Amino acid sequence: NAGVTQTPKFRVLKTGQSMTLLCAQDMNHEYMYWYRQDPGMGLRLIHYSVGEGTTAKGEVPDGYNVSRLKKQNFLLGLESAAPSQTSVYFCASGQGYGYTFGSGTRLTVV
Amino acid sequence: DQQVKQNSPSLSVQEGRISILNCDYTNSMFDYFLWYKKYPAEGPTFLISISSIKDKNEDGRFTVFLNKSAKHLSLHIVPSQPGDSAVYFCAARDAGGTSYGKLTFGQGTILTVHP
Repeated sequence: NAGVTQTPKFRVLKTGQSMTLLCAQDMNHEYMYWYRQDPGMGLRLIHYSVGEGTTAKGEVPDGYNVSRLKKQNFLLGLESAAPSQTSVYFCASGQGYGYTFGSGTRLTVV
Repeated sequence: DQQVKQNSPSLSVQEGRISILNCDYTNSMFDYFLWYKKYPAEGPTFLISISSIKDKNEDGRFTVFLNKSAKHLSLHIVPSQPGDSAVYFCAARDAGGTSYGKLTFGQGTILTVHP
């Protein structure tokens, strides 16, 4: 009964490095989302997907890319990390009325 | 432009008393509203929701009220318990077009319930 699983849970990157955050869900949801949480800003949508092979930009997409090659997986990539991308990242999946969130990835860019 | 706003960053309440968390929105296309609760080092979890065609929904100690004319909703917790201490996010679902199902979140309110 895993729900939504995010890996890794913590990561420290140097400015300019790249990395990929992985999100996996086992609930057969069509919709998946990536949010970032920053103090005083709440949860802001980065990118989302309404089905396998589809992606769309959210509120704060710059500096990020995503892929949804398989229905159960949604990847978030940072090609060249910047200190402004220091945040807690949450993946969510949902169908209709509300989401299930993963436990988050705390990313620090130094 | 913040379409969902929680103007109180924090709220402190005594155990046993009522906690009232507020949320305002601007988008008339929102058709469904939700409250999520988040503990440190965990993801947000769904708490309670309300459809735009209703004005009240109750689940145990939690009640959500919706005032569509004022574009305002509130979450009441009665009685408050120390275990309710968490960050509470208000969220709204956009019913329109290709953004169907997408949730917009407020900034969150940190609730602290003192024993």
